[in-house]
Amino acid sequence: AQSVTQPDIHITVSEGASLELRCNYSYGATPYLFWYVQSPGQGLQLLLKYFSGDTLVQGIKGFEAEFKRSQSSFNLRKPSVHWSDAAEYFCAVGSRDNYGQNFVFGPGTRLSVLP
Amino acid sequence: EADIYQTPRYLVIGTGKKITLECSQTMGHDKMYWYQQDPGMELHLIHYSYGVNSTEKGDLSSESTVSRIRTEHFPLTLESARPSHTSQYLCASSEYWQDSSYNSPLHFGNGTRLTVT
Repeated sequence: AQSVTQPDIHITVSEGASLELRCNYSYGATPYLFWYVQSPGQGLQLLLKYFSGDTLVQGIKGFEAEFKRSQSSFNLRKPSVHWSDAAEYFCAVGSRDNYGQNFVFGPGTRLSVLP
Repeated sequence: EADIYQTPRYLVIGTGKKITLECSQTMGHDKMYWYQQDPGMELHLIHYSYGVNSTEKGDLSSESTVSRIRTEHFPLTLESARPSHTSQYLCASSEYWQDSSYNSPLHFGNGTRLTVT
């Protein structure tokens, strides 16, 4: 069974600083990896996804993530954080069962942005 | 874009009441899901469906039930609400392509925040 860990429960950065959110997964086959963002009181919005190919994937809102198979990681990065990026970030791994894809989410990392 | 809709957004209800949380999607997705999320906590899958007339229990035991009579509609029902049911409930959908390497990400609704007093 797959699992996802996000080692950082809460991260605080200053506006304009760079950001890296960590994600480690456990899965026996080729993983399908996702990052979602959740603003307070809202559902989850897809930031980016990795299925195959280029290990550096670009997403919306200036985010990118790099898949490193050797480290079982899929860390999310942004070169310059904006105050509107303050939210909860979830990493997820998707697997295929006999009928389609199932997803496992990490516990989330809460991002605070200082002005 | 809000292609998956949940109603109500907020619900405060007394113990013992029967409630139904609505979820509809306009994307024609076969697979739909219900997640339960406590504040600041991770998501737990409580129900999912592969298509019409298909319902499965998720990883987290739940006293709720679901139905899937139409592709676009996946309501969740609590026959007798209790304070322990207080949580946020998120509905999601994804494409399901059998015998394909394509894996659709989940599309989420905005959630229903349920408070049982």
